[in-house]
Amino acid sequence: EVQLVQSGGGLVQPGGSLRLSCAASGFSFSDHYMDWVRQAPGKGLEWLGRSRDKSNSFTIDYAASVKGRFIISRDESKTSVYLQMNSLQTEDTAIYYCARNFGGGFDPWGQGTLVTVSS
Amino acid sequence: DIQMTQSPSSLSASVGDRVTITCQASQDIGSYLNWYQQKPGKAPKLIIYDASNLDVGVPSRFSGSGSGTDFTFTINSLQPEDVATYYCQQYDNLLPVTFGQGTRLEI
Repeated sequence: EVQLVQSGGGLVQPGGSLRLSCAASGFSFSDHYMDWVRQAPGKGLEWLGRSRDKSNSFTIDYAASVKGRFIISRDESKTSVYLQMNSLQTEDTAIYYCARNFGGGFDPWGQGTLVTVSS
Repeated sequence: DIQMTQSPSSLSASVGDRVTITCQASQDIGSYLNWYQQKPGKAPKLIIYDASNLDVGVPSRFSGSGSGTDFTFTINSLQPEDVATYYCQQYDNLLPVTFGQGTRLEI
């Protein structure tokens, strides 16, 4: 079964940092792009960035809104992708999802993890 | 960035109705358009990929059409379990990936 299990998240003060993890199983991890998407409370979906696959040298791209603050990485030995979030602001409060990029579509998604930025 | 304009933002229909949601891209995206279903408290689920292809296991009452800038998502014979928010998403070669604003479907 293809599965993504997320961990991390929680409450952090403005200006703080947090790292989210996403453990993948059931598919050839190195052969897939992995993306991060977030959803602010009661709002729509916002793409944050992606790590490409082995054939594309695991290159990474970010949305303008998080570039320079968020860092995506992956560990092939642990079949996991990570989202390091720095300089967090209240507007970063959201549910964060990892997702396997399957030919442009996100399938499946992790269960999501809530990040709350508040003093 | 490619803007995705989805309408309506909310919709109320009855069981058995045919429901249609539209999504318009700000520029030609070919067929690089997906549709997702998000039930309350859950992660989104891919329903339609490449504008018109049903993902595995998705009931045949769901369908998608369109290309270029104008796309349509249809549910034939609406069922109670279809209550959700639906999003379109484009994945043209140029980043970023962008989503429509969502359509909240109620019965």
